[in-house]
Amino acid sequence: KAGVTQTPRYLIKTRGQQVTLSCSPISGHRSVSWYQQTPGQGLQFLFEYFSETQRNKGNFPGRFSGRQFSNSRSEMNVSTLELGDSALYLCASSLVGSITDTQYFGPGTRLTVL
Amino acid sequence: GDSVTQMEGPVTLSEEAFLTINCTYTATGYPSLFWYVQYPGEGLQLLLKATKADDKGSNKGFEATYRKETTSFHLEKGSVQVSDSAVYFCAPSADRGSTLGRLYFGRGTQLTVWP
Repeated sequence: KAGVTQTPRYLIKTRGQQVTLSCSPISGHRSVSWYQQTPGQGLQFLFEYFSETQRNKGNFPGRFSGRQFSNSRSEMNVSTLELGDSALYLCASSLVGSITDTQYFGPGTRLTVL
Repeated sequence: GDSVTQMEGPVTLSEEAFLTINCTYTATGYPSLFWYVQYPGEGLQLLLKATKADDKGSNKGFEATYRKETTSFHLEKGSVQVSDSAVYFCAPSADRGSTLGRLYFGRGTQLTVWP
C-alpha cells in the first residue's frame, strides 16, 4: 500500500505570493492533518480534515487555509507569504482521526520564502 | 493530550549504551501515546504506540510504557546503534471529541550515537 505523498517536495517563493501544497493520503484513510515544522517553534498543528470538513484548527492566522476533496486528497494554501512561513509542511493521514488512530506522515514540502 | 514535556537534547551516546528519553504529558481525558522518529531530510515515522494504561509499545528494540498515574511515556532502548541517530518526538493524541485528528508534539530530542 502506497504511503502518504506530498507535492511538491520543495518550493521557493517570494514574500507576498501565495502557495498551494498537496497531500494524497493512504488509500482508505479519511482524515488528513497538516503540521508546520520550524526550528524555532517545532511541530505545530495547522488543521485537520475529515470527510471534506475541517474538524479542528490550530492557532494560525487566516492566511493559512485548506480543503479536502471527496477522494480524501487535501490541499493547503498560504496567501500573502511572509518570511516566517518558511518551514517544512507535513501532512499526515489516518483512518478516521480517532483517539487511537495512528497518523502516517508524508515526506513533507520544504517551503522557502525569500 | 493538551501539552507534552520532552527531555531536552541533544543526547550523545556510545554504541551499545542504554537510552532513556523522558516524556510527560497533560490531559483531561485519556489520550493515546506515540513516539515518532525523524531522520534527516525526512518526514516522521511511527516508532511505537500505546492506547491504554499499562500498555507497552515496542519496536526495533525500543520500548515505552503508558503510565497513567505519572502521565508519562518514557522511551527506552537497551543497546543503541549508530543507525538510531535521529530526532525523537513524543506525541500524545487528542483526548476528547473536540480535538480529534491532532497530535501534540514535544520539542524533539536529538540523539547522536557514536561508534
